[in-house]
Amino acid sequence: DTGVSQDPRHKITKRGQNVTFRCDPISEHNRLYWYRQTLGQGPEFLTYFQNEAQLEKSRLLSDRFSAERPKGSFSTLEIQRTEQGDSAMYLCASSGRTSTDTQYFGPGTRLTVL
Amino acid sequence: GEDVEQSLFLSVREGDSSVINCTYTDSSSTYLYWYKQEPGAGLQLLTYIFSNMDMKQDQRLTVLLNKKDKHLSLRIADTQTGDSAIYFCAEIGGGFKTIFGAGTRLFVKA
Repeated sequence: DTGVSQDPRHKITKRGQNVTFRCDPISEHNRLYWYRQTLGQGPEFLTYFQNEAQLEKSRLLSDRFSAERPKGSFSTLEIQRTEQGDSAMYLCASSGRTSTDTQYFGPGTRLTVL
Repeated sequence: GEDVEQSLFLSVREGDSSVINCTYTDSSSTYLYWYKQEPGAGLQLLTYIFSNMDMKQDQRLTVLLNKKDKHLSLRIADTQTGDSAIYFCAEIGGGFKTIFGAGTRLFVKA
């Protein structure tokens, strides 16, 4: 059973550096989501893909953030010029072609910006 | 606006029932979900309920939905120490955007 995987699991970077995270969804899932979770909060929606098309973006996703899903399989989330406020857990989820849209989450990438 | 609210903490004794409550705002939500998050781990889907249902039971879990009051609850029967975690209520808002509550931290005392 290959669930949703994310890489890396942890990333420590200095302020101003660029970082890129990868998400591999469950193979038959066509929908992919990115969320950000800070301490003591629930996940906040960032963006959503259906196949390779990015259909929805949160206003939380500033112009320093970009997400891609070039072939409709894995996705990358890049943060440019990181700021300390970007420190958070970045969660990826995927869902299949069902009406329930049940999302299955990966373990997350914890980003620490020094 | 879109908001999902939950109480932040719940403490119960092992063997008792736990009831975690949630209120949501989007009356058009088709499905409502409960997720569990253990320390350092991702979110695990526990159960979901379709909006035209009042109740759903799944082993030790019972979900109650009051659509008129936009109130959702999760009851865990015979709570065990392994149930200690954060429980998130979630709804799908406009489009495919999922809105999560801040989570209820369940402490189970042995």
